[in-house]
Amino acid sequence: NAGVMQNPRHLVRRRGQEARLRCSPMKGHSHVYWYRQLPEEGLKFMVYLQKENIIDESGMPKERFSAEFPKEGPSILRIQQVVRGDSAAYFCASSRQGMMTEAFFGQGTRLTVV
Amino acid sequence: QQQVKQSPQSLIVQKGGISIINCAYENTAFDYFPWYQQFPGKGPALLIAIRPDVSEKKEGRFTISFNKSAKQFSLHIMDSQPGDSATYFCAAGLETSGSRLTFGEGTQLTVNP
Repeated sequence: NAGVMQNPRHLVRRRGQEARLRCSPMKGHSHVYWYRQLPEEGLKFMVYLQKENIIDESGMPKERFSAEFPKEGPSILRIQQVVRGDSAAYFCASSRQGMMTEAFFGQGTRLTVV
Repeated sequence: QQQVKQSPQSLIVQKGGISIINCAYENTAFDYFPWYQQFPGKGPALLIAIRPDVSEKKEGRFTISFNKSAKQFSLHIMDSQPGDSATYFCAAGLETSGSRLTFGEGTQLTVNP
């Protein structure tokens, strides 16, 4: 049973480009959480999604960031017109019942904006 | 109200020693307190967790101590080993569906051989 799969592992984008980060949850998991980790900092909650629904996006920046979790396929975190401050590690976690007590994290996507 | 404060930022311990990391939270509604271990280039992995109805939980060399009145909890690593060298994060949240976790800033632990 594969764990939470994130890709790409590393992503380099120039300022102004778009970044797309993908998260495939563990088999049987229909709840996905996205967290961002800035250098030397802890993880900050961004968004919680269930299949085809955004449940809580209170941690998402108001502009340029969006997330989706379609009925088929991985969850996508999309960052438009990236800026240097978006450089961070983005982690996805998934769970079966929507409780972080039973969630597993992926290995993350490290985004570098140059 | 949602903050979790973690200290120290970094910690160096000799092999065989005890590593102690402390966290304090503000939101008295929190009822789930996990600790995560993160190695470089990897995602956080759940190490051990405690709920506020107990004051201590032990799993192998890892122990969580919980002080509800002080709103503090700590991780103790007994007989620390070089393989324990990693970044440790405390977190707090609600054990209900849809709840997110609030993480501390992390402690980088180095265990010297």
